[in-house]
Amino acid sequence: NAGVTQTPKFRILKIGQSMTLQCTQDMNHNYMYWYRQDPGMGLKLIYYSVGAGITDKGEVPNGYNVSRSTTEDFPLRLELAAPSQTSVYFCASTAYRSPEAFFGQGTRLTVV
Amino acid sequence: EDKVVQSPLSLVVHEGDTVTLNCSYEVTNFRSLLWYKQEKKAPTFLFMLTSSGIEKKSGRLSSILDKKELFSILNITATQTGDSAIYLCAVETGTASKLTFGTGTRLQVTL
Repeated sequence: NAGVTQTPKFRILKIGQSMTLQCTQDMNHNYMYWYRQDPGMGLKLIYYSVGAGITDKGEVPNGYNVSRSTTEDFPLRLELAAPSQTSVYFCASTAYRSPEAFFGQGTRLTVV
Repeated sequence: EDKVVQSPLSLVVHEGDTVTLNCSYEVTNFRSLLWYKQEKKAPTFLFMLTSSGIEKKSGRLSSILDKKELFSILNITATQTGDSAIYLCAVETGTASKLTFGTGTRLQVTL
């Protein structure tokens, strides 16, 4: 029972590079989310999706894009990486109308 | 803007002590409040609270919500070194089960 799987676990990017953080869940959850966590801070919502083909911005969407072509997958795209995007990124999913979020193990991203 | 504030920011206690962690919130369209424990990696779910005055318990941990005063507390009795972690409070608002998190309380339990 894998739950929520994120790849990669670690990545170093140079300023201006792009990358995609992968997230997949095997619990057939409708809702999926991307959060970022900066040192000493709580998690902030970047984007979320309530189902395949439907995405919406969270609190801190600038510099990111998402897509949701299937129920299982919710990739996060960083275009033109900036040092301010250095953070730990968590993908999460919830069942329909349940706030209990299941989190992936996180991706630690450093932009230099 | 929705806001969740946790206190204290950090806490060091001796094994066996009892601790109380606080969470206050100011949000529109409150639906529920959740507590998570974060050790090295992903947050793991502890409690979900929706009704005032009803205590949720799991072993040595318990939590209660006051919707009139807009706060919740998480109690840990007889602390153990394995309780060392960041404890996150989150409030569910609006639709789509979106969560607004506090900054967390870092708890360290020493021998």
